[in-house]
Amino acid sequence: DAKTTQPNSMESNEEEPVHLPCNHSTISGTDYIHWYRQLPSQGPEYVIHGLTSNVNNRMASLAIAEDRKSSTLILHRATLRDAAVYYCILRPNDMRFGAGTRLTVKP
Amino acid sequence: EAGVVQSPRYKIIEKKQPVAFWCNPISGHNTLYWYRQNLGQGPELLIRYENEEAVDDSQLPKDRFSAERLKGVDSTLKIQPAELGDSAVYLCASSLYGGHLIEQYFGPGTRLTVT
Repeated sequence: DAKTTQPNSMESNEEEPVHLPCNHSTISGTDYIHWYRQLPSQGPEYVIHGLTSNVNNRMASLAIAEDRKSSTLILHRATLRDAAVYYCILRPNDMRFGAGTRLTVKP
Repeated sequence: EAGVVQSPRYKIIEKKQPVAFWCNPISGHNTLYWYRQNLGQGPELLIRYENEEAVDDSQLPKDRFSAERLKGVDSTLKIQPAELGDSAVYLCASSLYGGHLIEQYFGPGTRLTVT
């Protein structure tokens, strides 16, 4: 089994922020937290990654707990195109994807 | 720049038949991955190559699955013979190298249906 735990599904309204949680209580000191998302009928695409500090890029923000046992992917303004399955993965020590969180965005 | 290319996009075969999938990674990417994704689940790593060398094939069912990456560029994944349970999407991905900071780029996948 993957070393991360995510809710199976979440819903959001369009143009509202979305906070996608991930628990990784057994994270090792060398693990980076990566997030990918998979749009329907496509392969996964990279979103963001971080080690200890919060990270921002054009797609999203990543907030990492001080003890690194959890993290949150933040989409600041959800759009319909953000509807996808979001995966939280630990690299390099775990190449597995879990089932992820299916995000539904309502207009 | 072209992304990861996979072919075919769809394949339907009868059980016990052989099937092969082809992947062309992004130019310059040394690391290549094959994943299998069953319906409703996340991708499962089958094999990872660093150039021509398979550095992680622990999850590849070696009795019927084989893979090769000649000249460290294109790769082929083969199943012989296929079983009903092999129906899935087969994804290829590549990255500059296999480090933990490097993002993977995925192809669109090949959807295999075994009847």
